[in-house]
Amino acid sequence: QKEVEQNSGPLSVPEGAIASLNCTYSDRGSQSFFWYRQYSGKSPELIMFIYSNGDKEDGRFTAQLNKASQYVSLLIRDSQPSDSATYLCAVNSDTPLVFGKGTRLSVIA
Amino acid sequence: ETGVTQTPRHLVMGMTNKKSLKCEQHLGHNAMYWYKQSAKKPLELMFVYNFKEQTENNSVPSRFSPECPNSSHLFLHLHTLQPEDSALYLCASSQDWVNTEAFFGQGTRLTVV
Repeated sequence: QKEVEQNSGPLSVPEGAIASLNCTYSDRGSQSFFWYRQYSGKSPELIMFIYSNGDKEDGRFTAQLNKASQYVSLLIRDSQPSDSATYLCAVNSDTPLVFGKGTRLSVIA
Repeated sequence: ETGVTQTPRHLVMGMTNKKSLKCEQHLGHNAMYWYKQSAKKPLELMFVYNFKEQTENNSVPSRFSPECPNSSHLFLHLHTLQPEDSALYLCASSQDWVNTEAFFGQGTRLTVV
C-alpha cells in the first residue's frame, strides 16, 4: 500500500511569515511529486511539481525534494491570508497519483 | 478554468434513485479519473481510464458504474446509493496515467438522503 503522510494541521502563521508544509511518502520508487492547493468547497488546484532532488522555486513558492529521506516540502514565503487553504501532497511513479490527507494552513492577518 | 468541466455541481438523490455524473475535458489528455473526497479522509481514487480503457477499479462497490465513451468524456452512473456515499466526487485528467500532473474539475457535491 503506497502511502503519503501529511500533518493535518491546522498550521497557523502570521501574515508575511514563511509557511512550511511537509510530506513523507512510502514508495521509494516514486518519481513525481506534486503540491495542490484546495480552498474550502473547491477542487484541488496544481501549484507546483518537482521531479529531481533539490529545490524548485516559482514565485513565492519553493518545493524541496529529498528522495533519500522520502521527504518533500513546500515553502510559502511572505504568506498572505489568501494562502489559507488545504495543501495536498501527491506522489506517483508507475501508478496514478496518491494523495495525502492535506495540511490546513491558516494565515493570520 | 482547468479545462475539465463537471456537471452537475450539486446533486441530492434518494437511495432508490439513479443518476449520472458527467465530466468533459478539453485538454487533449489520454487519461481520466474519478476520485471521491470525504471529510477527514484523503482523496480516494475510484476509477482510471487510459485511452478509453479502464485500467484501475479500486474495489469500488458496484452501485458506482463508470463509462468512458471517448477520451474526452467520462461518466459515473449511480444507483441505490447509501448515505455514506455522500461526498465530493472529483473528475480529473492527465496527459498520461503515470508521472504527469492531473487537472481537476470543479467537483460534484453529492448528498444521498
